Amino acid sequence: QVQLVQSGVEVKQPGASVKVSCKASGYSFTNYDLTWVRQAPGQGLEWMGWISAYNGNTNYAQKFQGRVTMTTDTYTTTAYMELRSLRSDDTAVYYCVRLSLGLENWGQGTLVTVSS
Amino acid sequence: QTVVTQEPSLTVSPGGTVTLTCASSTGAVTSAQYPNWFQQKPGQAPRPLIYSTTNKHSWTPARFSGSLLGGKAALTLSGVQPEDEAEYYCLLYYSGTYVFGTGTKVTVL
Repeated sequence: QVQLVQSGVEVKQPGASVKVSCKASGYSFTNYDLTWVRQAPGQGLEWMGWISAYNGNTNYAQKFQGRVTMTTDTYTTTAYMELRSLRSDDTAVYYCVRLSLGLENWGQGTLVTVSS
Repeated sequence: QTVVTQEPSLTVSPGGTVTLTCASSTGAVTSAQYPNWFQQKPGQAPRPLIYSTTNKHSWTPARFSGSLLGGKAALTLSGVQPEDEAEYYCLLYYSGTYVFGTGTKVTVL
């Protein structure tokens, strides 16, 4: 079955960077795009961008352009999302999601806390 | 900045019917925006319910249905169960990007 297993909790200081990983299994990795979604505490869902696992093409939400980089490693079938220049309002749960029948398969989420 | 708006909250009685809507600041929602609907309960990841306006996932209960209604995407819950109490989000596609709706809190009372 399709599984997306994300890396663990992160605590970062303002101005630092974080890189969240998402290990995919149970399907042909390069046949599906992946997207990243985040949710701040008590807030709604926010789409961050997507990446083609086939050729690495990306498309980021305007809000995150210049601060986010999404990559994939086809050998380890792992996707990565790096967010730089962290601020307190980047504190959120970050999800990786496989794009199949819509946003079909979700990782368990990674809590990133930004605090001094 | 595109905004996708949902009702902040709705209350429904057990066994009743409720319709949630999803409006776009750019105009009428169409099937070309592939409306998706998600259910989220506290402490859990969102669970997909509907994709491409009307299509259900294999795990989606039959009482959930998606449609386009009056220029908006809509999610109808018929025969509501207590376990349907949750936050519901829509998602729309805009030329290579996606935008989530503001979310609707459904209370079953």
